[in-house]
Amino acid sequence: RKEVEQDPGPFNVPEGATVAFNCTYSNSASQSFFWYRQDCRKEPKLLMSVYSSGNEDGRFTAQLNRASQYISLLIRDSKLSDSATYLCVAQGGGGSNYKLTFGKGTLLTVNP
Amino acid sequence: EAGVTQFPSHSVIEKGQTVTLRCDPISGHDNLYWYRRVMGKEIKFLLHFVKESKQDESGMPNNRFLAERTGGTYSTLKVQPAELEDSGVYFCASSPRLALWETQYFGPGTRLLVL
Repeated sequence: RKEVEQDPGPFNVPEGATVAFNCTYSNSASQSFFWYRQDCRKEPKLLMSVYSSGNEDGRFTAQLNRASQYISLLIRDSKLSDSATYLCVAQGGGGSNYKLTFGKGTLLTVNP
Repeated sequence: EAGVTQFPSHSVIEKGQTVTLRCDPISGHDNLYWYRRVMGKEIKFLLHFVKESKQDESGMPNNRFLAERTGGTYSTLKVQPAELEDSGVYFCASSPRLALWETQYFGPGTRLLVL
């Protein structure tokens, strides 16, 4: 079983749509969680951290459920510029506290 | 402020040859990480330096890979001898503090192709 599993995608949505990404992690000792965004042939960039209380940044909302080991990302009113691969990331757990463990990513294409 | 830089951006070598990748972290960042993405797979952790010391090298695939960070500034990752399965994108990342929730800033990656 993969340590971080995401919706395989790809997602193709029209501008203005709401998109939800789901992710589960298997290591219950993981302590920090993030969504990274990766544009084609570019490096991953932090989109937002994911806290147990949930957090929102403009059109983006992230949720974490530690009991079910589930992470989500919601994008409202999607823009063309949101087209990218979204990476679910867990950090910590066991002896490796600081390494990031990535999901495979979900490709989002927002169409005009 | 300059971001994480990596050199070369691309490398094409033959099986059995040696390749050395370089990473320059953001100035002042003590933590430096190497990751790799093999085609079709997720990005995977290789190792973590704190200054010049290896904090965690649990992700290094085998002894053909050697990472160094002499002086605690830039780092090199040498693959010797390279095998076909070493092809992929090698990312370097850095962060200022050793703490959870600390953002890791990624470099643009080195695309390695072993023929």
